[in-house]
Amino acid sequence: EIVLTQSPAVLSLSPGERATLSCRASQSVSSYLAWYQQKPGQAPRLLIYDASKRATGIPARFSGSGSGTDFTLTISSLEPEDFAVYYCQQRSNWPPYTFGQGTKLEIK
Amino acid sequence: EVQLVESGGGLEEPGGSLRLSCAASGFTFGSYVMSWVRQAPGKGLEWVSGISGSGGTAHYADSVKGRFTISRDNSKNTLFLQMKSLRAEDTAEYYCAKEGYWFGEANFDYWGQGTLVTVSS
Repeated sequence: EIVLTQSPAVLSLSPGERATLSCRASQSVSSYLAWYQQKPGQAPRLLIYDASKRATGIPARFSGSGSGTDFTLTISSLEPEDFAVYYCQQRSNWPPYTFGQGTKLEIK
Repeated sequence: EVQLVESGGGLEEPGGSLRLSCAASGFTFGSYVMSWVRQAPGKGLEWVSGISGSGGTAHYADSVKGRFTISRDNSKNTLFLQMKSLRAEDTAEYYCAKEGYWFGEANFDYWGQGTLVTVSS
């Protein structure tokens, strides 16, 4: 089973700042990594798939990069609605599909 | 518009059973792999089970293997999760999620709103 480790666990930033979230895989997942955003009381929403492709309707301020074992989600300039929990997920080696433990992006 | 609506959650005693349903609309249901993903209170996401479009192939997480059974009725555009021998650690919000045409081909691009399962005496 591939283990995904996200860092930091909590990221405190202000609106307008740049956010950088990390996801590291225990073995290569090629580019088969996705990022999801989850707000309180809501289902997760797909943001980025295949490491760097934005899902439908996702603003350009969200970008993903990386391959192999190291991946990054960048939010170029934080909007108030971006404060949420972010999860990475791999579909390279399954079953099972696995998720990271999440990074909480909170307002500083 | 793609919609996934779960139902069937509730309070059940340890050792009991529940059957979850997920009604799908807005896409060709029988063409897509569907999965159940759960989230314990205050915790992260855990994939539970997935089933192929035809229903002929299913996969399970080790944590539920032998206790949960996934199935689908493509004539009614509905996904199911039969849960038996429930444990306290099965307490979670259960989401159904749409995947791609085959396992591993795509990520979870649509999710339902979730149904809460609580296992407690």
